[in-house]
Amino acid sequence: GAVVSQHPSRVICKSGTSVKIECRSLDFQATTMFWYRQFPKKSLMLMATSNEGSKATYEQGVEKDKFLINHASLTLSTLTVTSAHPEDSSFYICSAREFGGGAAKNIQYFGAGTRLSVL
Amino acid sequence: AQSVTQPDIHITVSEGASLELRCNYSYGATPYLFWYVQSPGQGLQLLLKYFSGDTLVQGIKGFEAEFKRSQSSFNLRKPSVHWSDAAEYFCAVGSQTGANNLFFGTGTRLTVIP
Repeated sequence: GAVVSQHPSRVICKSGTSVKIECRSLDFQATTMFWYRQFPKKSLMLMATSNEGSKATYEQGVEKDKFLINHASLTLSTLTVTSAHPEDSSFYICSAREFGGGAAKNIQYFGAGTRLSVL
Repeated sequence: AQSVTQPDIHITVSEGASLELRCNYSYGATPYLFWYVQSPGQGLQLLLKYFSGDTLVQGIKGFEAEFKRSQSSFNLRKPSVHWSDAAEYFCAVGSQTGANNLFFGTGTRLTVIP
């Protein structure tokens, strides 16, 4: 089955520093990856859609300069939280959609998430 | 506007009992429907999906779901719950055309008591 690896699983950083989270599709190529944020006891909030080789599409209210997304290859997307502050502390989850299109491929496979704690 | 409603925030069932988790959606086009399960501190695992065809779909871990277009529902069921099924369950809807993103419900937390 399709596997998505997300790293790191947990990170603690000081306020003002930047943190990079990686999302890799291990056994398939993903033209599209998604970044979600999940608040405690809440659902997933889509932050941005990342397409390989092009700029990410951010959802309304998500600061693109704050949350930098790069999707340089068909198997890797990164989310960088710049100048992190305590309010950025959250659980971040990525997902990847397999390249090739069609109904059978329109499935998102999720990483295990990254718990970010900003002190 | 697209939305997914999971009316039950928390459900407690006894091990071995049957389970039904409710999901209603509002979507402008023909939807794709999904159920995902999330264990504490983990990502989401796909349980099952509906794209087209047979409205009763089978998933992993003994779960099934039935798509009822007339009721805009996609309820998840399991005939006999195991203690390991305790987790958070999310229903999601996506488009069959165009945009690829999913809309998630707020989740239902399942507690299983011995």
